[in-house]
Amino acid sequence: TQLLEQSPQFLSIQEGENLTVYCNSSSVFSSLQWYRQEPGEGPVLLVTVVTGGEVKKLKRLTFQFGDARKDSSLHITAAQPGDTGLYLCAGDQNAGNMLTFGGGTRLMVKP
Amino acid sequence: DTGVSQDPRHKITKRGQNVTFRCDPISEHNRLYWYRQTLGQGPEFLTYFQNEAQLEKSRLLSDRFSAERPKGSFSTLEIQRTEQGDSAMYLCASSLAGGEQFFGPGTRLTVL
Repeated sequence: TQLLEQSPQFLSIQEGENLTVYCNSSSVFSSLQWYRQEPGEGPVLLVTVVTGGEVKKLKRLTFQFGDARKDSSLHITAAQPGDTGLYLCAGDQNAGNMLTFGGGTRLMVKP
Repeated sequence: DTGVSQDPRHKITKRGQNVTFRCDPISEHNRLYWYRQTLGQGPEFLTYFQNEAQLEKSRLLSDRFSAERPKGSFSTLEIQRTEQGDSAMYLCASSLAGGEQFFGPGTRLTVL
């Protein structure tokens, strides 16, 4: 059983559509990160959320940390083909030690 | 480029051979992490260093795996007597203590 469950695992949408990816856990995290990974490359950090209820925006991407710091969501508005990739959430339980990753959401945005 | 670098990017080896990977962290970062990622999965933690001290090891890190960071700068990950199940992407990340982790491009290992 994974500590962090991501859903959906796969998502294929048309350019211009909106989507939401969820990251859920029964554990509390001191912080949660979202990464994006291209095939054959390492994960690239998108955002870190720390405070329960926190909302952060990065252009068309909106990240939210749950009030209890157990879950998070990533919402993309008007998706573009360049958003295609593997989105990973990762939780930090010990303020800077190991990260626990979810299984990832593979997003494909068709033109 | 001042990001995390890893070498080699790809390694193909035969079962039973030993392999060694290198990671150079962001220069001012005192923490260095190793993760393993198999196809279709998220990365899994292997071990991490603060300066030259190895502070935590996952149970995934069997006796055939050893990691070092002798001078608190670059790190090496060695796998002895490789098995087909070791085939994966090996990722290195670095951070300041308590800070965000930044990943390198990874080393893709294929064991035939």
